[in-house]
Amino acid sequence: NAGVTQTPKFRVLKTGQSMTLLCAQDMNHEYMYWYRQDPGMGLRLIHYSVGEGTTAKGEVPDGYNVSRLKKQNFLLGLESAAPSQTSVYFCASQTGGAVKTQYFGPGTRLLVL
Amino acid sequence: GNSVTQMEGPVTLSEEAFLTINCTYTATGYPSLFWYVQYPGEGLQLLLKATKADDKGSNKGFEATYRKETTSFHLEKGSVQVSDSAVYFCALSDQEAAGNKLTFGGGTRVLVKP
Repeated sequence: NAGVTQTPKFRVLKTGQSMTLLCAQDMNHEYMYWYRQDPGMGLRLIHYSVGEGTTAKGEVPDGYNVSRLKKQNFLLGLESAAPSQTSVYFCASQTGGAVKTQYFGPGTRLLVL
Repeated sequence: GNSVTQMEGPVTLSEEAFLTINCTYTATGYPSLFWYVQYPGEGLQLLLKATKADDKGSNKGFEATYRKETTSFHLEKGSVQVSDSAVYFCALSDQEAAGNKLTFGGGTRVLVKP
């Protein structure tokens, strides 16, 4: 049981390049989330998904797209990277039940030059 | 909308000192409250949670009580260790809202010196 995993761990991009971040969870959770973490700003929600085939915008969705083709995977895409997207990206998945709790992956550090 | 405010760090302590990190929130409805911890170079780990007024969450010697009257969820530990050095995040979740999204505070860095 690996929990939530993210690939890659670190990536350097040039402005205008594209990439996809992969998040995978093996806990059969319905809900998944993508956050970015910037110094002094806590975590901000980019996009989320409440189930396979569904996605929704979070607080800071501009410049990102997501897909949830399989329940266990949630992909975050940057079509044309900008220096403002330099950040640490965290994926999370959420339990069901009476108290819904999010569990996080180890993060992907992205540097856009 | 929902918001979480927590004390800015860094907080520097000596080993065995008492730790308090203040957290207050603004929310509609009756949110669940969480503390997450982030050790250097790692992701966020759930530390403790509380779901209703007067609930006390506890884990690894840390405690926090859900105070609805003061809209607070302060984190405490009676005797910190060097291994408690980390960034601590307070968060709330409106469990009835679409997406059950978490709203985070800005994080408080704690440094425990031997």
